[in-house]
Amino acid sequence: GAVVSQHPSWVICKSGTSVKIECRSLDFQATTMFWYRQFPKQSLMLMATSNEGSKATYEQGVEKDKFLINHASLTLSTLTVTSAHPEDSSFYICSATRGHTHQPQHFGDGTRLSIL
Amino acid sequence: QQQVKQSPQSLIVQKGGIPIINCAYENTAFDYFPWYQQFPGKGPALLIAIRPDVSEKKEGRFTISFNKSAKQFSLHIMDSQPGDSATYFCAARDYNQGGKLIFGQGTELSVKP
Repeated sequence: GAVVSQHPSWVICKSGTSVKIECRSLDFQATTMFWYRQFPKQSLMLMATSNEGSKATYEQGVEKDKFLINHASLTLSTLTVTSAHPEDSSFYICSATRGHTHQPQHFGDGTRLSIL
Repeated sequence: QQQVKQSPQSLIVQKGGIPIINCAYENTAFDYFPWYQQFPGKGPALLIAIRPDVSEKKEGRFTISFNKSAKQFSLHIMDSQPGDSATYFCAARDYNQGGKLIFGQGTELSVKP
């Protein structure tokens, strides 16, 4: 149990394009989902915390208008990178907790975003 | 105070060896300490986790040792195998901040046949 699915797994697009990444909890209801960014050979950096039905909470330094998060249901959160540029190229990973935020986080397999 | 410091950055052991990865923290509000294993191009997978009221936890070949007074915890991998070659991250959960995880810098483990 506790499977989290991300789609797409890899996306390449031109600079200036907006890209949407989906994160789904397949076998449980996720009240809270987290979005991370990971550069090569580096650790995971939390970008934002997404709660179903409310606005996401962004970490310091993360542009809200650049990285739009929507958590419209208990099984789906989306991250949209608006007007993406090459410096936005990274590995984006979501995680979800079953019910209460203090439950263990289960991670998706990530989305590799490459902006040309 | 929000940092989790992990060492070593990389580690090479022979098959059957016992790699040890160490983490240290400062924030006493951390209430849960998970370890994650990550293979290239994949998301992290939860390996094992411990709470601060326990000094040791073992699951299969993986053991966490926890020293609350020293604010340190470590992962031991018994009888390591080439398939254990991956990047390992320790993390700490901040109870006062919505349960968000603070990750260590990661350790790239290579187990030689």
